Amino acid sequence: EIVLTQSPGTLSLSPGERATLSCRASQSVSSTFLAWYQQKPGQAPRLLIYGTSSRATGIPDRFSGSGSGTDFTLTISRLEPEDFAVYYCQQYGNSQGTFGPGTTVDF
Amino acid sequence: QVHLVQSGSEVKKPGASVKVSCKTSGYTFKTIAITWVRQAPGQGLEWMGWISAYNGNKQYAQKFQGRVTLTTDTSTSTAYMELGSLRSDDTAVYFCARGQGWFDSWGQGTLLTVSS
Repeated sequence: EIVLTQSPGTLSLSPGERATLSCRASQSVSSTFLAWYQQKPGQAPRLLIYGTSSRATGIPDRFSGSGSGTDFTLTISRLEPEDFAVYYCQQYGNSQGTFGPGTTVDF
Repeated sequence: QVHLVQSGSEVKKPGASVKVSCKTSGYTFKTIAITWVRQAPGQGLEWMGWISAYNGNKQYAQKFQGRVTLTTDTSTSTAYMELGSLRSDDTAVYFCARGQGWFDSWGQGTLLTVSS
């Protein structure tokens, strides 16, 4: 099983600032199958990024993804008040999926 | 638009089984797999397994092998997740999600409480 580690655990920022979230895999992940989700309390997760860098439908361009191999990054260029949430990375490989433990972005 | 609507909350005793449904609409059911994910209270997301809505092929997380069964009913565009031998640490919100590699639409979640 591929284990995903996310850092930092919590990111304390203010609206307008840039957020950089890291996701590291215990072994190489196919770039096609690395995704990012946003989750707010009491809600289902929402797909932000798939295939490492492709934005899902309706996702604003302040969200971007990058990376390869074992190191991936989600960047929020300028935080909006509605962006304060928990973010999870997720990979799929060898017919198995795993999620990272999440990064909380708060202020 | 795509909708996934799950069955309601459940309360079960340890050792029992539960079956959660996920009714889909807004797309051709057979074209995309359904994945199940759970989230214990205050915890992160946990991948449980997926099932092809096209041919019924499925894959389970090793942790749930032997306890979970995923099925689909193509006549009603509904997916099901059955979890047996329930324990208190199975208390969680269970989500169905559309997709196999990534998940672009999610059900609203079904809260399962396991308590004696």
